[in-house]
Amino acid sequence: DADVTQTPRNRITKTGKRIMLECSQTKGHDRMYWYRQDPGLGLRLIYYSFDVKDINKGEISDGYSVSRQAQAKFSLSLESAIPNQTALYFCATSVGREQYFGPGTRLTVT
Amino acid sequence: TQLLEQSPQFLSIQEGENLTVYCNSSSVFSSLQWYRQEPGEGPVLLVTVVTGGEVKKLKRLTFQFGDARKDSSLHITAAQPGDTGLYLCAGGNTGFQKLVFGTGTRLLVSP
Repeated sequence: DADVTQTPRNRITKTGKRIMLECSQTKGHDRMYWYRQDPGLGLRLIYYSFDVKDINKGEISDGYSVSRQAQAKFSLSLESAIPNQTALYFCATSVGREQYFGPGTRLTVT
Repeated sequence: TQLLEQSPQFLSIQEGENLTVYCNSSSVFSSLQWYRQEPGEGPVLLVTVVTGGEVKKLKRLTFQFGDARKDSSLHITAAQPGDTGLYLCAGGNTGFQKLVFGTGTRLLVSP
């Protein structure tokens, strides 16, 4: 089984809808991250959490919120989706310098 | 804001050719990582370099961290179709593990 899982893998939603992307990990890592990937822009950090009680904004947090329900679970929400949030979203965990990524969620906002 | 620019953005070569991908910044990083991402998957770490001037080899891949720790390169010798993918560099700073990712280089190696 994969160490970092993301659900759903693909999602199409309409402008204005609320959507939640979920991430679970079995690696036992305290640190978790949410990134979005856009062509030519690499990966950009949305939010990160160093433990269950610690949540921090990344470089592009506007329009997003997160919840760290447990050490193993970190969810990303789009309260009111807009088309420019169409992207590939990745969850990651880390220990030391190495980050371990989930398979991604492809989100399309129409 | 720290930025990492990669060049080229896209590279299409034949099997057996050599290539180099560059990762440049005006900022100093305490470490530099290279990841490879295949379609439908998340990035996977290839290597971490932490010392200015450091060179690491992973089979046919050679990674170098610049002396000033502002840039890095990835050289692939005798590329194979299995090397196809998106290569991402990522810079790290001391104290916490937030990474700054580069813009990415998409490599296509044809048989």
